[in-house]
Amino acid sequence: QVQLQESGPGLVKPSETLSLTCTVSGGSISSLYWTWIRQPPGKGLEWIGYVYSSGGTSYNPSLKSRVTISVDTSNSQFSLSLSSVTAADTAVYYCARDNTRGFDFWGQGTLVSVSS
Amino acid sequence: QTALTQPASVSGSPGQSITISCTGTSSDIGAYDYVSWYQQHPGKAPKLIIYQVSDRPSGLSNRFSGSKSGNTASLTISGLQAEDEADYYCSSYSSSTTHVFGTGTRVSVL
Repeated sequence: QVQLQESGPGLVKPSETLSLTCTVSGGSISSLYWTWIRQPPGKGLEWIGYVYSSGGTSYNPSLKSRVTISVDTSNSQFSLSLSSVTAADTAVYYCARDNTRGFDFWGQGTLVSVSS
Repeated sequence: QTALTQPASVSGSPGQSITISCTGTSSDIGAYDYVSWYQQHPGKAPKLIIYQVSDRPSGLSNRFSGSKSGNTASLTISGLQAEDEADYYCSSYSSSTTHVFGTGTRVSVL
């Protein structure tokens, strides 16, 4: 059974960079798309972007200028970096596996608050 | 990026059937058969319940079914049960944003 686990700071200051890592266990990180999705408190889901196991990426156009997603296949991890954060970036951040048919495995989610 | 449009809430009595719509455009739902649906209970991560418009993951109840017509996809829950009370989100591949989610629907079991 594939498992994903997000890790990183729960509090980030405005204008700084949010950094999260997702560790994949129970399956290979190869040949699939690894995705970040977020959900502001009380609101809906927003697709942030993905990284393919070979390193190729695709980002939500609304966040593209601030987002970087990378993969470390040797450690079965992929990471999210979101720069110049504001209060609007406060959300639960999920990592998920995209098997091209849907997001079939998800992490439990981690709340990141942006506040000074 | 424009989210797919879903009704804010749908309700039904136990045993009834309900249908949730998900309306997009010719650049997402209308263009691809890559519509998926997710169930999210409070405080939990979403769970995939339908992929590629109408396929169910292995082991998932056949009370959940999906369909698509033109730019609108639908999720039907038959034999409604108390455990079905949750938020439901659709998602589609999109030519402009790669992936887009719906606005979400709160299902209440009366």
